[in-house]
Amino acid sequence: RKEVEQDPGPFNVPEGATVAFNCTYSNSASQSFFWYRQDCRKEPKLLMSVYSSGNEDGRFTAQLNRASQYISLLIRDSKLSDSATYLCVSGGSQGNLIFGKGTKLSVKP
Amino acid sequence: NAGVTQTPKFQVLKTGQSMTLQCAQDMNHEYMSWYRQDPGMGLRLIHYSVGAGITDQGEVPNGYNVSRSTTEDFPLRLLSAAPSQTSVYFCASSYASSVSYEQYFGPGTRLTVT
Repeated sequence: RKEVEQDPGPFNVPEGATVAFNCTYSNSASQSFFWYRQDCRKEPKLLMSVYSSGNEDGRFTAQLNRASQYISLLIRDSKLSDSATYLCVSGGSQGNLIFGKGTKLSVKP
Repeated sequence: NAGVTQTPKFQVLKTGQSMTLQCAQDMNHEYMSWYRQDPGMGLRLIHYSVGAGITDQGEVPNGYNVSRSTTEDFPLRLLSAAPSQTSVYFCASSYASSVSYEQYFGPGTRLTVT
């Protein structure tokens, strides 16, 4: 089983839509979870950390379900500038980060 | 602050050639790492360092060497390039352990091995 799995997409949504990405992880001992954003041909950048209680940053909400080993990212009121690939990241069993392959989002006018 | 810088941005090598990808950071970060990103594979950890003089292997270390003589620099050496090493290489740094702190990535080096 891959350590971090994501739906690769692409998700094609109109501006203003709400879109949700899901991710599962295999390391049940992991304490660290993140969402990174990667624009085309650019480096990944941290979007937000994911906390057990869930957390929100403007239009973005991240949730963690430890029982199901499941992480989600919700984007409300999508903007054209949200078009990117979103990488789900978990702490690995050897103390490093494990990146998912990414979910591509395309927001259309 | 320049953040994390990488050189070169693009490189084409012939099979068997060697080269060094440069990475430097000016944030006084202890933790530095090298990843490769291939289509459909996601980012995979090659080598990492938790401080000057200390390096360790990641998930895909074969064919690569690293050293960390200073806090700022973390070069990645390809010993004898192979077509399978065609990839985009990202260097990253963080304040401390990568699982607890934000990783700052460099702009990447696009390497093609023919």
